[in-house]
Amino acid sequence: EAGVAQSPRYKIIEKRQSVAFWCNPISGHATLYWYQQILGQGPKLLIQFQNNGVVDDSQLPKDRFSAERLKGVDSTLKIQPAKLEDSAVYLCASSLEGGRGEKLFFGSGTQLSVL
Amino acid sequence: GNSVTQMEGPVTLSEEAFLTINCTYTATGYPSLFWYVQYPGEGLQLLLKATKADDKGSNKGFEATYRKETTSFHLEKGSVQVSDSAVYFCALRSNDYKLSFGAGTTVTVRA
Repeated sequence: EAGVAQSPRYKIIEKRQSVAFWCNPISGHATLYWYQQILGQGPKLLIQFQNNGVVDDSQLPKDRFSAERLKGVDSTLKIQPAKLEDSAVYLCASSLEGGRGEKLFFGSGTQLSVL
Repeated sequence: GNSVTQMEGPVTLSEEAFLTINCTYTATGYPSLFWYVQYPGEGLQLLLKATKADDKGSNKGFEATYRKETTSFHLEKGSVQVSDSAVYFCALRSNDYKLSFGAGTTVTVRA
């Protein structure tokens, strides 16, 4: 079965530039998550979608980060402009319905380096 | 708010040794508890879970018991292998349905 697909795998940009990440969740999964994982830390939830609606974006730095999930399937996460502290791995995950005991399926992530 | 505190690493063991990684949590309501694992070069994947007090999750020889009285979900394995070398994350999901992770514990098993 196909897993969660993310691209690109790596990205290096200079500060103040823009960057976008793409995620294709597992087919049929209603819930999609974007996490930020800084080196040496656990993943931190940035935004959670249920179909194409936002469920939680309380930890998304909205002055520079934006995300959308068109048609309730693919999603993009954008950073504009990037700062040095945005260097991290950006993980996309999906789950069937978002239930409390549900398993999340993670993609391999996009490693972002901001110079 | 909800939070997870897990044992700091790194942890280095010899093959066939006993492994314990401590995890305690703070949460409102009755959370579900998880252990996720990240093998070198791979994405995060669920190792085991428990959704109510006194439940025991188990998988691949690993076990963890949901202890409400001590707010803990410690991960154990009786005899580790080199292939168990990975980063282990404790996580919880409470009434707000947000999955919160601990900082992760790096485990290295030597042959």
